[in-house]
Amino acid sequence: KAGVTQTPRYLIKTRGQQVTLSCSPISGHRSVSWYQQTPGQGLQFLFEYFSETQRNKGNFPGRFSGRQFSNSRSEMNVSTLELGDSALYLCASRSSNYGYTFGSGTRLTVV
Amino acid sequence: GNSVTQMEGPVTLSEEAFLTINCTYTATGYPSLFWYVQYPGEGLQLLLKATKADDKGSNKGFEATYRKETTSFHLEKGSVQVSDSAVYFCALGAGNNFNKFYFGSGTKLNVKP
Repeated sequence: KAGVTQTPRYLIKTRGQQVTLSCSPISGHRSVSWYQQTPGQGLQFLFEYFSETQRNKGNFPGRFSGRQFSNSRSEMNVSTLELGDSALYLCASRSSNYGYTFGSGTRLTVV
Repeated sequence: GNSVTQMEGPVTLSEEAFLTINCTYTATGYPSLFWYVQYPGEGLQLLLKATKADDKGSNKGFEATYRKETTSFHLEKGSVQVSDSAVYFCALGAGNNFNKFYFGSGTKLNVKP
């Protein structure tokens, strides 16, 4: 059974640009969540999608958005990038009554 | 509300030493508890879980017991190896189908040969 796949693994962007990150969940998992991980703030919840609907949202500005497709694949978009957006972005999928399975993450560097 | 508190790191141990990483939680209802491990450059991997009070989760020599009376889920291993060096996260899943998930701040473990 394939794991959670995130692409790309590494990304370098310039301030003001926008970026789209992709996540393919484990087959059969309908819930996909996104987290931002930084040394200073730790793991911070961005949002969760379930069956193409955003079910939960963390405390991030509107520059951070996401969506989920009918095949459960999810994308996360960050617009008008700031230096402080540099982080490891983790996607996780799960089935009901179980914990998350995480991908390896996308390391975003904003310069 | 729900929250998870972990002991601050880093924790530095010699190989074959006994490991304890403390985790306590606050929760409404009956949460499930998890330990995740993150190796350098990787995402988080589920290490073990417990779904109700007095359950013991175990995997790869690690154990944790869900203690409702002390609201704790401490991670233990009898003899650590250098390969156990990683960051460990305690987490709580609550609500219907765990639609609320809360992570601790992580504890970095360094094991020296």
